[in-house]
Amino acid sequence: DVKVTQSSRYLVKRTGEKVFLECVQDMDHENMFWYRQDPGLGLRLIYFSYDVKMKEKGDIPEGYSVSREKKERFSLILESASTNQTSMYLCATNRGSYEQYFGPGTRLTVT
Amino acid sequence: AQSVSQHNHHVILSEAASLELGCNYSYGGTVNLFWYVQYPGQHLQLLLKYFSGDPLVKGIKGFEAEFIKSKFSFNLRKPSVQWSDTAEYFCAVNVGNFNKFYFGSGTKLNVKP
Repeated sequence: DVKVTQSSRYLVKRTGEKVFLECVQDMDHENMFWYRQDPGLGLRLIYFSYDVKMKEKGDIPEGYSVSREKKERFSLILESASTNQTSMYLCATNRGSYEQYFGPGTRLTVT
Repeated sequence: AQSVSQHNHHVILSEAASLELGCNYSYGGTVNLFWYVQYPGQHLQLLLKYFSGDPLVKGIKGFEAEFIKSKFSFNLRKPSVQWSDTAEYFCAVNVGNFNKFYFGSGTKLNVKP
């Protein structure tokens, strides 16, 4: 079974703080994704990576950056957290255009 | 830009009722189609998928979906829902050879016991 883990289930940060969310997968998938999930908006893609050190912007990259130094690890960085970044953050992984496997999510609250 | 529409945002059913959740997408080329489910407090998991072949696909827990290319639709069905089907359901589309997935806004299903 594919296992996708995320560093925290719940996180509370203050406005202006730098926030790191980490995702680790154990299935050697080349693709990794970061989404945010908000009620009524579904999942919106922030960034994805198709290889180590490679990244592509998704639909809502503003205010976020990512890092992929190792194949199994994909980090999402909020450079200066703002209240409108309060959300559920989901990491996913897949191979090719096959189905994605999701982590449990990190519920981030920015106060 | 590609889009995926789920027209039912919130559905309430009694146990044993039949379910159909709509999903329409806007891309005219080759697509891979998925339905995911998110049970309360759990992570998103795959319910079923369509890549090619028989347009009627069967998934886990008695769910099925029908791909109708002419209607750009991939509706999810279950003949008789159970209380344990209470969850949020997401339709997703993968377009062509790209590694991007487009998700619908989700449908919350509430099954009354």
